[in-house]
Amino acid sequence: KAGVTQTPRYLIKTRGQQVTLSCSPISGHRSVSWYQQTPGQGLQFLFEYFSETQRNKGNFPGRFSGRQFSNSRSEMNVSTLELGDSALYLCASSHGQVSYEQYFGPGTRLTVT
Amino acid sequence: AQSVAQPEDQVNVAEGNPLTVKCTYSVSGNPYLFWYVQYPNRGLQFLLKYITGDNLVKGSYGFEAEFNKSQTSFHLKKPSALVSDSALYFCAVSVLTGTASKLTFGTGTRLQVTL
Repeated sequence: KAGVTQTPRYLIKTRGQQVTLSCSPISGHRSVSWYQQTPGQGLQFLFEYFSETQRNKGNFPGRFSGRQFSNSRSEMNVSTLELGDSALYLCASSHGQVSYEQYFGPGTRLTVT
Repeated sequence: AQSVAQPEDQVNVAEGNPLTVKCTYSVSGNPYLFWYVQYPNRGLQFLLKYITGDNLVKGSYGFEAEFNKSQTSFHLKKPSALVSDSALYFCAVSVLTGTASKLTFGTGTRLQVTL
C-alpha cells in the first residue's frame, strides 16, 4: 500500500506571497491532519479534515487554511507569507478514530525569504 | 488542555545497552498514547501505541513502552540499543473531544547511540 505523499517536497517563497501544499493520504484513510514543525516551536497541530469537513483546528491565524476533497486528498494554503512561516509542513492520514495511529508523509520544506 | 513533556533533550547510550526515553502526559479523560521516530529529512514513523489493556506495549524495531497511570508516564524502552536507533523520538497523546481527536506532541528527545 502506498504511503502518504506530499508535494512539493521543497518550496522557496517570498514574504507576502501565498502557497498551496498538497497531501495524498493512504488509500482508505478518510482523515488528514496537518502539522507545522519548527526548531523553536516543535510540532504544532494546524487542522484536521475528515470526510471533507474540518473537524479540529489548532491555534494558528486565519492565514492558514485547508480543504479536503471527495477523494480524501487535502490541500493547505498559507496566504501573505511571513518569515516565521518557514517550517517543515507535515501531513498525516488515519482512519479517523482517536485510537488509530496517524501515518505521516515526508513533509514539505517551506522557506520564506 | 492536554500536554506532553519529554524532560530530556538528548539521551546518550552505548550500543548494546538498554535505553529509556521518558515521557509524561497531562489530560482530562482517557489518554491514547503514541511514540513516533523521525530520521533526518524524513516524516514521522509510528512506533507503538497504548489504547487500553496491558500496560506494557510492544512496537516496531524491538521498542516497547510502559504505561503508568498513577505516574502519568509512558516511557519508551529497548533492551539493547543499536547505532541505527539514533534519531529524534516524539511522544504524543490524543484525547477524544466530541467526535474529533487531536495529537499533541512532546518537544522530542534526540537519541544518540554510540559504539
